[in-house]
Amino acid sequence: DADVTQTPRNRITKTGKRIMLECSQTKGHDRMYWYRQDPGLGLRLIYYSFDVKDINKGEISDGYSVSRQAQAKFSLSLESAIPNQTALYFCATSDTGGSTDTQYFGPGTRLTVL
Amino acid sequence: GESVGLHLPTLSVQEGDNSIINCAYSNSASDYFIWYKQESGKGPQFIIDIRSNMDKRQGQRVTVLLNKTVKHLSLQIAATQPGDSAVYFCAEKAGGFKTIFGAGTRLFVKA
Repeated sequence: DADVTQTPRNRITKTGKRIMLECSQTKGHDRMYWYRQDPGLGLRLIYYSFDVKDINKGEISDGYSVSRQAQAKFSLSLESAIPNQTALYFCATSDTGGSTDTQYFGPGTRLTVL
Repeated sequence: GESVGLHLPTLSVQEGDNSIINCAYSNSASDYFIWYKQESGKGPQFIIDIRSNMDKRQGQRVTVLLNKTVKHLSLQIAATQPGDSAVYFCAEKAGGFKTIFGAGTRLFVKA
């Protein structure tokens, strides 16, 4: 079974709709992240969480919110989706391991906002 | 500002040849570098990493070279196989947790 799973894998929605993307991990890692990926751009950090009680904004948090329901679960919400939020979204985890902790990514969710 | 970039957006190599993917970074304070591989429909997967106190590190069929003088990172893949076809990202960290990712290079392996 995959260590980091994301649901749904694909979603098409309309402008103004509320959308939730879910991420679960079985790696036992404390740190979880949400990124978006757009063609020609590197992964950009939306939100990150170092533990259940810790939530931090990344570089592009506007229009998004997150919830860390448990160590293993980190969800991303778009309160009112807009077309420029069409992108590939990745969840990632890492261990609490200083400057060399490697991130492990889920398979991604392809979101299309019409 | 901080940036991690790649010299070539696409690279096409013959099966069996060696591949070299290059990356430039601009933050001289970066002390940890990672290469990820992203296959179609999948998330990025860790390949190999290197710390700034090293200039070369080898893995299975892959080698990462770091030249801090010119802020350059490269990934060498020996005897490239069709399964190596993917997008390859370099990434850097300057302490802390934040990882900065490059845009990626797409590697095509011709049979």
